[in-house]
Parts: sequence; C-alpha cells; structure tokens
Amino acid sequence: SSELTQDPAVSVALGQTVRITCQGDSLRSYYASWYQQKPGQAPVLVIYGKNNRPSGIPDRFSGSSSGNTASLTITGAQAEDEADYYCKSRDSSGNHWVFGGGTKLTVL
Amino acid sequence: QLQLQESGPGLVKPSETLSLTCTVSGGSISSSSYYWGWIRQPPGKGLEWIGSIYYSGSTYYNPSLKSRVTISVDTSKNQFSLKLSSVTAADTAVYYCARLAQDMVATITYFDYWGQGTLVTVSS
Repeated sequence: SSELTQDPAVSVALGQTVRITCQGDSLRSYYASWYQQKPGQAPVLVIYGKNNRPSGIPDRFSGSSSGNTASLTITGAQAEDEADYYCKSRDSSGNHWVFGGGTKLTVL
Repeated sequence: QLQLQESGPGLVKPSETLSLTCTVSGGSISSSSYYWGWIRQPPGKGLEWIGSIYYSGSTYYNPSLKSRVTISVDTSKNQFSLKLSSVTAADTAVYYCARLAQDMVATITYFDYWGQGTLVTVSS
C-alpha cells in the first residue's frame, strides 16, 4: 500500500480548473513532485518543490501544499492534459521514496 | 540534453535474476548533485520506486523489495544497473531509470529525466 493517497479518477470540463490532491504524513516534512503520464509514454515531471515548473511545462500547471496534502492544479484544462498524474515524495522515514497510486484525469 | 537508456533482456524465467543497465549520456553520472533511480510499472498499474544510488555507491532500496534488489554504479561507463533476484510473474513490468535531483536540504526531490522504459516479462 502507498503512503501517499490519491483519488483514482477525476474529470474536468474543457477549459475549467481541476485540482488533483495527494495526502500523506510525509508531506508535512517533504515536498511532493508531480508527474504526468500518457499511455505508452514515460512519466514527465510537471511540478516540483513549492511550485516549480520545469522548462516547457505550461503555466496552467501549478502546485501547492498545506499540512499533509499536496495539490496539483490545472487552470484551464486542455484536451492534451488528459493523462494519469502521480505524486511522489519521501516516505515518513525520509530514507525512501514513494509514489501515490495515481489519478486518471479525464477532460470532458 | 541528458538522456537515459535502459537495456537488458525482455524475457526472464521465474526464479532467475532480472538484470538491467541504464546508460547516461549528455551528462556525468558522477555529479554530486544527483541520485539515480529505478522505477517500475506493472501493466495497467501505478509507478513503484525500486531504489536509488548515489555516484559514491550509497544505495536506498524499497523496503518491500530490499531482500531481492541490488543497484550498482559504474562511473567509468557512465552507467548504473539493477539486479532483481528470484523473480516471479508479479515482477513483470516496464522498468524505468531516472535521475533524481534534490535541493540543498533534501526536502525537495524529483525525478527530472527519465528513460523511455523497457518491458520485462517474467515467464517460462
């Protein structure tokens, strides 16, 4: 079982805003990073740290954190944002890394 | 541009050892700023962190796999490797290698570069 919990599926209307959450005790001490994965492709880093986007990631992607919950927000979701999203952080011991179970985002 | 490429057998027999190598190009595996890691994804399932290694050889393993996993680094070849022993069908997965970056106090860690992944099937 994962120490980071995500909703299995979320949907959003085209152009609307959606928030994907990740819960875990370790998030009180460590930041999450977020990955987008489309079918048949390797994961791609979209957000890391407090709210940092790698080069090439659209600014409609943003991140935040409060208590034991990290969030990925997509403002103005596009059809190409339909994908699986995973959070990752250290575990409670700080000596290992763990992924959340993933959230399948559907853009309607 | 940093690139990572996994290589190794795509088919392994049950009870044998799975061996994969990740070749890093466009950058040095000996950089003190990064760790290097293995992640896997069974068909239709989520991502699972297997383990990570520092260029000095320090290793960190997923507790659920620790008894079967060995990760090593060869700085002369700019490669790091994964060995997973006593495999079963449950080890069938796409295996990814990736670079793990972190901030100065290690509260922010992230896999910023990934290989394309390689499917390993465990079957007789």
